[in-house]
Amino acid sequence: DGGITQSPKYLFRKEGQNVTLSCEQNLNHDAMYWYRQDPGQGLRLIYYSQIVNDFQKGDIAEGYSVSREKKESFPLTVTSAQKNPTAFYLCASSIGSGYTDTQYFGPGTRLTVL
Amino acid sequence: GQQVMQIPQYQHVQEGEDFTTYCNSSTTLSNIQWYKQRPGGHPVFLIQLVKSGEVKKQKRLTFQFGEAKKNSSLHITATQTTDVGTYFCAAGAGSYQLTFGKGTKLSVIP
Repeated sequence: DGGITQSPKYLFRKEGQNVTLSCEQNLNHDAMYWYRQDPGQGLRLIYYSQIVNDFQKGDIAEGYSVSREKKESFPLTVTSAQKNPTAFYLCASSIGSGYTDTQYFGPGTRLTVL
Repeated sequence: GQQVMQIPQYQHVQEGEDFTTYCNSSTTLSNIQWYKQRPGGHPVFLIQLVKSGEVKKQKRLTFQFGEAKKNSSLHITATQTTDVGTYFCAAGAGSYQLTFGKGTKLSVIP
């Protein structure tokens, strides 16, 4: 059963702590993405990766970091430098990295920082 | 970077009424994709438009790409409660990545 998994679904952290969100795909897709969704703001791109061991900043990368050591995995770390980390985080993948490629989304992780 | 404006932000309709959401850009787009996100869910791809003036239909949904490739619309005929959700357009142009609109949240009153 192919798809994208994100865990956990809900995550609570104290202010000042770093937290890592996981994203795994078994679709054999080259490209992976992280988006942040806030009410009324749509989807904003945080980071994307076109290939293993390579990634680029999106529109709102400050306070976040990523790694892409394996094709299947693209974890996102929300650091203490991110001023407003509470949000819904969506991971996506696509077979290629062009803008005509369909993106497939995971179920998302809702992060609340207390 | 590339911006796409999506209107309206919210739309409440009576079941059976039609619904339209619009996606506009100041620059020429290469393509438009449309996604639907059900409440509590994640975005799911609906369709892609690439050609100028292109029109595609999926049952009660009609998607259009403008002649100048600067705007697109999604029209739903005779809405049903299953149509509830947020509809996003995502545009490709210039930059390497898709840019998502802010979405139109559709509520259907039974």
